[in-house]
Amino acid sequence: DTEVTQTPKHLVMGMTNKKSLKCEQHMGHRAMYWYKQKAKKPPELMFVYSYEKLSINESVPSRFSPECPNSSLLNLHLHALQPEDSALYLCASSQLNQGQGIGYTFGSGTRLTVV
Amino acid sequence: GQNIDQPTEMTATEGAIVQINCTYQTSGFNGLFWYQQHAGEAPTFLSYNVLDGLEEKGRFSSFLSRSKGYSYLLLKELQMKDSASYLCASLGYSTLTFGKGTMLLVSP
Repeated sequence: DTEVTQTPKHLVMGMTNKKSLKCEQHMGHRAMYWYKQKAKKPPELMFVYSYEKLSINESVPSRFSPECPNSSLLNLHLHALQPEDSALYLCASSQLNQGQGIGYTFGSGTRLTVV
Repeated sequence: GQNIDQPTEMTATEGAIVQINCTYQTSGFNGLFWYQQHAGEAPTFLSYNVLDGLEEKGRFSSFLSRSKGYSYLLLKELQMKDSASYLCASLGYSTLTFGKGTMLLVSP
């Protein structure tokens, strides 16, 4: 299995809703990432988990809450989002030793629309 | 911090060769990646350089000069399906930072 699987692929939610994005990989990668990408912009790092522990939080608002239940799963819990949070949310994973140069493996993303 | 610069758009014709340049300034450097991204899809890995020189992979090649903070992606025998955004990304101490991407349009 060489994939990162994200669900759902599309999500429309109201500003008072609570929803979760899910990400799963079975490549044995011990680093997992959430990126946010607006149209025609590069992906922007949100969170990094290393060995299931949050290692980087790029000053993301608390309405985004990440969770890493185990080494294969990464969730992003959403609550009280704003319309400007509408974007493509990408999950990625990697080996912690980047010396092998394989980079990150990205999931296909969740297209989120906040109404 | 990381600063990565690449052209916003490029156009080329089918069958041609195109070179997409990238300059970077980073604190901590562990490699330079190129990704391809079609609209609405996830980035897909194309190439990686950590040492100076050229890496060739089929129709795609990537070059790195660490002393100049410079890389390029070379695409040969362009096909219509190569129309996409090409992202230069620098690996710092532990995370990947992306440039704004170069939108390549291949015309017949």
